[in-house]
Amino acid sequence: QVQLVQSGAEVKKPGASVKVSCKASGYTFTSYDINWVRQATGQGLEWMGWMNPNSGNTGYAQKFQGRVTMTRNTSISTAYMELSSLRSEDTAVYYCARSSSWPDYWGQGTLVTVSS
Amino acid sequence: SYELTQPPSVSVSPGQTARITCSGDALPKKYAYWYQQKSGQAPVLVIYEDSKRPSGIPERFSGSSSGTMATLTISGAQVEDEADYYCYSTDSSGNPWVFGGGTKLTVL
Repeated sequence: QVQLVQSGAEVKKPGASVKVSCKASGYTFTSYDINWVRQATGQGLEWMGWMNPNSGNTGYAQKFQGRVTMTRNTSISTAYMELSSLRSEDTAVYYCARSSSWPDYWGQGTLVTVSS
Repeated sequence: SYELTQPPSVSVSPGQTARITCSGDALPKKYAYWYQQKSGQAPVLVIYEDSKRPSGIPERFSGSSSGTMATLTISGAQVEDEADYYCYSTDSSGNPWVFGGGTKLTVL
């Protein structure tokens, strides 16, 4: 069965960076895009960007341009999302989601807390 | 930027029909998708391409779309259907992902 398993919770100080991983199993990793979506406590879903694991091509939401980097390691079927220059407003649960034309399977989420 | 608009909350009694709407200018040309998110859990796809139901989703969940509005219908809502529901679509250019603000469904 398709599974996306994300890395554990992180606590970071303002100005630091965080790198979240998303390990895929149950399907061919390079056949579907990986997208990243975040959700602040009590808030809605916010799309951050996408990556094609086959080509490595990426596209980022304008809000995160310059601060987010999405990469992958195809040998271990794992996608990564790195967010830099963290601020308190980045405190949220970060999800990876597989997509072809739409997001179908989601990871369990990774809580990133930014606090001094 | 493109927006999808949902009502913040919908409330029904068990066994009643719940309807959650999602409005967006591009919906006449773009599919709508619906996700259920229970507290502390990741979203789960319940409807894709306006009206199709993934395997494993109960038949009481259905979707429709007309003009600029898509609708998720839960016929005979059950207590376990209490959750936040999000619609998803794309704008007329096909970029990027857009989610509605979410609707909290209360069944009591």
